[in-house]
Amino acid sequence: ETAVFQTPNYHVTQVGNEVSFNCKQTLGHDTMYWYKQDSKKLLKIMFSYNNKQLIVNETVPRRFSPQSSDKAHLNLRIKSVEPEDSAVYLCASSRDWGSYEQYFGPGTRLTVL
Amino acid sequence: QQKVQQSPESLTVSEGAMASLNCTFSDGTSDNFRWYRQHSGKGLEVLVSIFSDGEKEEGRFTAHLNRASLHVSLHIREPQPSDSAVYLCAMRDSGYNKLTFGKGTVLLVSP
Repeated sequence: ETAVFQTPNYHVTQVGNEVSFNCKQTLGHDTMYWYKQDSKKLLKIMFSYNNKQLIVNETVPRRFSPQSSDKAHLNLRIKSVEPEDSAVYLCASSRDWGSYEQYFGPGTRLTVL
Repeated sequence: QQKVQQSPESLTVSEGAMASLNCTFSDGTSDNFRWYRQHSGKGLEVLVSIFSDGEKEEGRFTAHLNRASLHVSLHIREPQPSDSAVYLCAMRDSGYNKLTFGKGTVLLVSP
């Protein structure tokens, strides 16, 4: 049963455009994450938020900015996308910062032409 | 340097035969290792999460952890075509509660 929801499923855009992805979890969790999965299926953490506060910000370009209105939502905005941004972006949540289990959404596939 | 290495890159097994996947990690400081499955176009599904050396079984999935050899494996008993997917090994960085993933093994189970 899906409890981490992501929209859109797919997005195709051109270089230089701005895109925004949404993530919502209905699990009542405090912590949310954004991962990037490249064409070779390698998953890397991008951001972690705990109770709307940024906890981890891996080395990602500044054009990426997470946005959290409440602890159930963590959106991702990319200003001026570039070809290397083409990937699947996966959102996840965990009960709290110390919890081991992370629950993943289905992902948003971004294609930059 | 990749901290989590998976092998093989791809694996084809016949339905009912045991499937074995391997993962080696660069250091033994992680407190948790897990295996995920990802069907095409879908999110990640956790299969087994293991903390201590030894074996952990979850249904048809068994993980073996050996910290001394920096190795964790996944064995799938009686695989079915519906098990065809990408299998990802991950280790948890306890300091930051972040997961570091391997590149995955593509498993194909033929009828």
